[in-house]
Amino acid sequence: EIVMTQSPATLSVSPGERATLSCRASQSVSSNLAWYQQKPGQAPRLLIYGASTRATGIPARFSGSGSGTEFTLTISSLQSEDFAVYYCQQYNNWPPTWTFGQGTKVEIK
Amino acid sequence: EVQLVESGGGLVQPGGSLRLSCAASGFTFSSYWMSWVRQAPGKGLEWVANIKQDGSEKYYVDSVKGRFTISRDNAKNSLYLQMNSLRAEDTAVYYCAAGATGIDYWGQGTLVTVSS
Repeated sequence: EIVMTQSPATLSVSPGERATLSCRASQSVSSNLAWYQQKPGQAPRLLIYGASTRATGIPARFSGSGSGTEFTLTISSLQSEDFAVYYCQQYNNWPPTWTFGQGTKVEIK
Repeated sequence: EVQLVESGGGLVQPGGSLRLSCAASGFTFSSYWMSWVRQAPGKGLEWVANIKQDGSEKYYVDSVKGRFTISRDNAKNSLYLQMNSLRAEDTAVYYCAAGATGIDYWGQGTLVTVSS
């Protein structure tokens, strides 16, 4: 099983500042990596897939990078609506079993 | 508008069974891998199972193998999860989800509580 490890567990950031979230895979997942945002009481929302491609309707302040085992989600200038929990997810090609990271909570500093 | 609407959750005793359903609309259901993802109270996301577009391939997380069965009916645009031999640790919100390279669409979830 591929284990996904996110850091930090909590990130305290002021509005307008940059946030950098990390995700590490226990073995290479190539670029088969997605990022999601989840707010309390809501379902997750897809932000990034293919490690760096923004999903439909996602603002340009969200960007993803990395490949293999090391990945980063960057929020260039945090808006009030961006304070949430963020998860990474690998979708290995074969077999198509998936795993999520444990999440990073982005909170207001 | 894309909609995934789950139903069938509730309170069940340990060892019991439940069948979750998911009604899909607003997209071509038969073209999508479908999945179930769960979230225990206050915890993170856990992928549970997925099924290929034609139902010919199914995959499960180890902790539910032999107890849960995923299925679909493309004629009814519906996804199912039969859950048997339920345990306390299966308590979670269960989300119906669509997509293979990232989950494009999510339902709002249905709560399953396993308790005596």
